[in-house]
Amino acid sequence: QVQLHESGPGLVRPSETLSLTCSLSGASISDNYWAWIRQPAGKGLEWIGRVSFTGTADYNPSLRRRLTLSADSSSNQVSLRLTSVTASDTAVYYCARDFGLVVPRWFDAWGQGIRVTVSS
Amino acid sequence: DIVMTQSPDSLAVSLGERATLNCKSSQSILHRSNNKNWLAWYQKKPGQPPALLIYWASTRESGVPDRFSGSGSGTDFTLTISSLQAEDVAVYYCQQYYTSPLTFGGGTKVEIK
Repeated sequence: QVQLHESGPGLVRPSETLSLTCSLSGASISDNYWAWIRQPAGKGLEWIGRVSFTGTADYNPSLRRRLTLSADSSSNQVSLRLTSVTASDTAVYYCARDFGLVVPRWFDAWGQGIRVTVSS
Repeated sequence: DIVMTQSPDSLAVSLGERATLNCKSSQSILHRSNNKNWLAWYQKKPGQPPALLIYWASTRESGVPDRFSGSGSGTDFTLTISSLQAEDVAVYYCQQYYTSPLTFGGGTKVEIK
């Protein structure tokens, strides 16, 4: 059974870079695309993007300019890097398995999420 | 972007009664390639990640109780809980995967009356 675990800092200063890692177990990173999704407190879900083990990534255009998704096959991890963060980036960030390969589809396995606050 | 609009925002239903949740997309998400609707439904309980319930608008994920069913086509979709159980208290989200960026509805909160 696939398990995903997000890790990273819970607090990031405004204008700095948010870096998160998702560690995968029970599945090979090469089997799927891996997505990031976030949810600000009291709000809905926002798809951030997805990445394959080759590093091929699809980004939400609203974040593309600040976002980099990457993958490390040797450690079975995917990572998110979001630059120039503001308070609007405060959210719970989830890593999830994207069932789709050629195109994104639904998310059938999720990490528990990590709460990130952007504040000075 | 395709905008997903869910209604109502919240719904209180008695135990054992039917709950009907709606989701409307700003454009058709019926894909010509496979004549399927590119829509999924999730259940989210407090402190937990979302859990996939349904994909292709009406296909239940493995392990999901059959009291959950999805229907609809084109732009209008429904998630029905045929007999509400206490463990079904949650927020339910629809999601389109017809085109990028993938988008979610704002959610419907289901409570016990």
